[in-house]
Amino acid sequence: QSALTQPAAVSGSPGQSITISCTGTSSDVGSYNLVSWYQQHPGKAPKLIIYEDIKRPSGVSNRFSGSKSGNTASLTISGLQAEDDADYYCCSYARSGTWVFGGGTKLAVL
Amino acid sequence: EVQLVESGGGLVQPGGSLRLSCAASGFTFSIYWMSWVRQAPGKGLEWVANIKPDGGEKYYVDSVKGRFTISRDDAKNSLYLQMNSLRAEDTAVYYCASDPSSRSAFDLWGQGTMVTVSS
Repeated sequence: QSALTQPAAVSGSPGQSITISCTGTSSDVGSYNLVSWYQQHPGKAPKLIIYEDIKRPSGVSNRFSGSKSGNTASLTISGLQAEDDADYYCCSYARSGTWVFGGGTKLAVL
Repeated sequence: EVQLVESGGGLVQPGGSLRLSCAASGFTFSIYWMSWVRQAPGKGLEWVANIKPDGGEKYYVDSVKGRFTISRDDAKNSLYLQMNSLRAEDTAVYYCASDPSSRSAFDLWGQGTMVTVSS
């Protein structure tokens, strides 16, 4: 049950695009199409922004997109906006009913 | 309104016990998996435990096995987490989470309840 690996921090300017990676193993990310991504603002509960690797819940901006290759999933945010400044977490199903989160990535919109 | 509301957090001494509750409303609680996810101060999210709709299957992160017990009461639309032998490293905000939209993810979260383990 090791945490998925994410970069600790990324940054970008308004209007730019950034990508956050999430690396797991063949036992979690690489085995199931069940990677999800969450956005969390300070003092708030996480919010689901991507599920089943690439799907976006209704109401979530199409500036958020997910992808996956092998044991690494990625979240891309295009057209950065000030309100995207937040923490982002990936999560994957990890067999036998368990789930594992990434360590989180702090996005700074400069 | 679809929501989850946690309660039961507080300050407890190392080795002590605490029972968290999560009240669900606005969706058919009994047919969905329910989970607890925690976040230590200034740290990331950690999945803690989940329970199948009929309560027949329960899973835990290794660090809480044998100390925490997840349960549910579908008649009361409530989820519980009994925490025993608490340690300083269990200090965290505990969130109740579910997937009422069947997205195979944590689609609905409560506001969290803070548990502090300290002497």
